[in-house]
Amino acid sequence: SQTIHQWPATLVQPVGSPLSLECTVEGTSNPNLYWYRQAAGRGLQLLFYSVGIGQISSEVPQNLSASRPQDRQFILSSKKLLLSDSGFYLCAWSEGSGSGGETQYFGPGTRLLVL
Amino acid sequence: AQKVTQAQTEISVVEKEDVTLDCVYETRDTTYYLFWYKQPPSGELVFLIRRNSFDEQNEISGRYSWNFQKSTSSFNFTITASQVVDSAVYFCALSEAGDYKLSFGAGTTVTVRA
Repeated sequence: SQTIHQWPATLVQPVGSPLSLECTVEGTSNPNLYWYRQAAGRGLQLLFYSVGIGQISSEVPQNLSASRPQDRQFILSSKKLLLSDSGFYLCAWSEGSGSGGETQYFGPGTRLLVL
Repeated sequence: AQKVTQAQTEISVVEKEDVTLDCVYETRDTTYYLFWYKQPPSGELVFLIRRNSFDEQNEISGRYSWNFQKSTSSFNFTITASQVVDSAVYFCALSEAGDYKLSFGAGTTVTVRA
């Protein structure tokens, strides 16, 4: 069966510091991968998605970037965090059939607080 | 453009009551997919159901049931005989064919009191 991992679970960072959140998926090959942010306990917003290694699509211009160095690894980064980057970050995966509309399965999330 | 509206922000019920969560969507596509997810206090989103736009059959899974009506662009979710463990935020979401994006509604917080 497939599992998805995220770490760290919780992170407190000062404004202006860098960020690296990691997501890995097990039990599947060539998945589609996604990063979402949920602010104020509500409203999930898609940040990035990837259909293959090195392929990243950005949905919202912001202070963040994403990379996919390996098939089942997805990383969310920032060079300098802003207060507005605080939130709950969720990684998700879906089968890589390429047609869209597949079910997305979510990881446990990372709670980020920028002070 | 896609849009999902969950008009109910919060619902509070007493255990064993039924609760229905409304979801209304907007899309210009004829092929699309609708989803419901549950987010318990732990935060992880749990997948509940996926329906495509060509399948309007209602579905029942244990105490959960879903009513899909294309005529009113609605995909409502009912929890029968609610339990305290049903307390969570429930999200409705829409995806169009050929689009990887899931558009989520704002969510409905369900509180079930013992």
